[in-house]
Amino acid sequence: EPEVTQTPSHQVTQMGQEVILRCVPISNHLYFYWYRQILGQKVEFLVSFYNNEISEKSEIFDDQFSVERPDGSNFTLKIRSTKLEDSAMYFCASSAEAGQFGETQYFGPGTRLLVL
Amino acid sequence: EDQVTQSPEALRLQEGESSSLNCSYTVSGLRGLFWYRQDPGKGPEFLFTLYSAGEEKEKERLKATLTKKESFLHITAPKPEDSATYLCAVQARSTGNQFYFGTGTSLTVIP
Repeated sequence: EPEVTQTPSHQVTQMGQEVILRCVPISNHLYFYWYRQILGQKVEFLVSFYNNEISEKSEIFDDQFSVERPDGSNFTLKIRSTKLEDSAMYFCASSAEAGQFGETQYFGPGTRLLVL
Repeated sequence: EDQVTQSPEALRLQEGESSSLNCSYTVSGLRGLFWYRQDPGKGPEFLFTLYSAGEEKEKERLKATLTKKESFLHITAPKPEDSATYLCAVQARSTGNQFYFGTGTSLTVIP
């Protein structure tokens, strides 16, 4: 069964460093998303991406964040200068489409980011 | 502002003891309500999508229902392997494709 994959599973970095989180969405999906979950809190939307551009972003997704689809299979989230409060589990998700009715988003296993 | 509230926060059941989890929502135009299961340290695993009031979906011991204000996830005769956090998410017409998640219900099924 197709699934979303993410690498690395864990990432430890120093405050101020740049990190890149990688995702391979389900192959025939067109919409890609990043969410984060701070320990003990709810899953929060960061950004959605379609047709090689950002379609929506939340207030969390400020100038230190960027997303890219560098090739036909990968989808990345870059955090330019990490802060302590960026420590969280980051989930990539993808959906086949996004029409009038809600389209199911399928989530990857996550990357646990720890900023020291 | 769109809101999703899940209750209870935690639930302990004896094996075989049926119960229901609640997800209440206030959104401007529901596009879909989604149930996920999340095991510790893992990503949300899709269970059900519901689109309109009155709709029901079933899978093994789980049954999801939807009204205009809330959804229930009914667990019939649960087993220890059903222990997980169950997340509810909604997608609203007013806010595009993003999902709004509740804080989840942590279910523990005791053998």
